[in-house]
Amino acid sequence: GAVVSQHPSRVICKSGTSVKIECRSLDFQATTMFWYRQFPKKSLMLMATSNEGSKATYEQGVEKDKFLINHASLTLSTLTVTSAHPEDSSFYICSARARSGGEKPQHFGDGTRLSIL
Amino acid sequence: ELKVEQNPLFLSMQEGKNYTIYCNYSTTSDRLYWYRQDPGKSLESLFVLLSNGAVKQEGRLMASLDTKARLSTLHITAAVHDLSATYFCAVVGMEYGNKLVFGAGTILRVKS
Repeated sequence: GAVVSQHPSRVICKSGTSVKIECRSLDFQATTMFWYRQFPKKSLMLMATSNEGSKATYEQGVEKDKFLINHASLTLSTLTVTSAHPEDSSFYICSARARSGGEKPQHFGDGTRLSIL
Repeated sequence: ELKVEQNPLFLSMQEGKNYTIYCNYSTTSDRLYWYRQDPGKSLESLFVLLSNGAVKQEGRLMASLDTKARLSTLHITAAVHDLSATYFCAVVGMEYGNKLVFGAGTILRVKS
């Protein structure tokens, strides 16, 4: 079945550091990838939609200069949290939509737990 | 704005009991999804419901979709401890760029 690999699974770093999270579709081409943020005991909040070869579309209230998204190929999207601060600590989940479509709208990565000290 | 409402948000139940989680949504959609999330983990796809009247069952879980009422249910039969998790429903909003919009989630705790 379709697999999405997200890396790293956990990051702990100091305030002011920039952190890059990778999302790869391993066995399918993903024209669209999505980045979500999840606070403890809350639902997933869509941050941005990333289309291969074009600029990401950010949801209202999400700072594009803070959360840089690059979708350089049909199998890779990256989210960079720039100059991270403790309030950026969260669980970040990516998902990918296959070019071929199918029943499932998106295939989810395993998530990245980001902790900023 | 597409809204997806789940209830209850928290459910504590005894093993062996039955219960239903409800998911209401505010737009026309014929695609609804149920996911399970364990603590610290990502989402596991449970059910894909693609048409009015769709019913799917897997083990002790059964999901149904009524697109006219804009309602989906996730029924738990004879709960066991292993079902403890958070359950999300999600709807594809075709007027919203085909984005997946999630409900708030239902935290299920099954007590032995």
